[in-house]
Amino acid sequence: GAGVSQSPSNKVTEKGKDVELRCDPISGHTALYWYRQSLGQGLEFLIYFQGNSAPDKSGLPSDRFSAERTGGSVSTLTIQRTQQEDSAVYLCASSLVRLRRINEQFFGPGTRLTVL
Amino acid sequence: RKEVEQDPGPFNVPEGATVAFNCTYSNSASQSFFWYRQDCRKEPKLLMSVYSSGNEDGRFTAQLNRASQYISLLIRDSKLSDSATYLCVVSRGFKTIFGAGTRLFVKA
Repeated sequence: GAGVSQSPSNKVTEKGKDVELRCDPISGHTALYWYRQSLGQGLEFLIYFQGNSAPDKSGLPSDRFSAERTGGSVSTLTIQRTQQEDSAVYLCASSLVRLRRINEQFFGPGTRLTVL
Repeated sequence: RKEVEQDPGPFNVPEGATVAFNCTYSNSASQSFFWYRQDCRKEPKLLMSVYSSGNEDGRFTAQLNRASQYISLLIRDSKLSDSATYLCVVSRGFKTIFGAGTRLFVKA
């Protein structure tokens, strides 16, 4: 399959632990986004990558959140010292960029994070 | 005020009904506009892009009014399978903003 994949699909962790969430975008997509969605809520933008650089980090909720992308492909979202309010579904999306505009974003199935 | 605003609904309609969703955006520099659909506990998927000239895809029609900064989605002859949350999406440059979504329930 050539879609966006994310791992793990589910993650249960204890408060205070660090977690890493992984996203494999569609091959050739230079733009990559991370969002989170709490139960019954809309999508909250976290961070955007164009290639390996992140021109827009404005959505990261605190300094406990960080993300990187290597080789213009795989991205990792890391949450340090997790808190219960971090519990949500974390969605990754990738997109082509044409004429400096975003086209359709293709989403992965998400990682459901539960912090106990 | 949120940059993209939608009526959260829910809209409860019978099969065969016509239903319209509205969306407003606050930044006049916005460039691209989309409607996404999200089924319960699933990821969002593109329903259609929205152009100033309006566009139609089967039972779905999308309209954009740049002067009023307003986007609409019309669904004709609603099907049970149309039940979902519809997300209005606006982008400018590399920044994409999702509305909170409008929930639709189509009942037999």
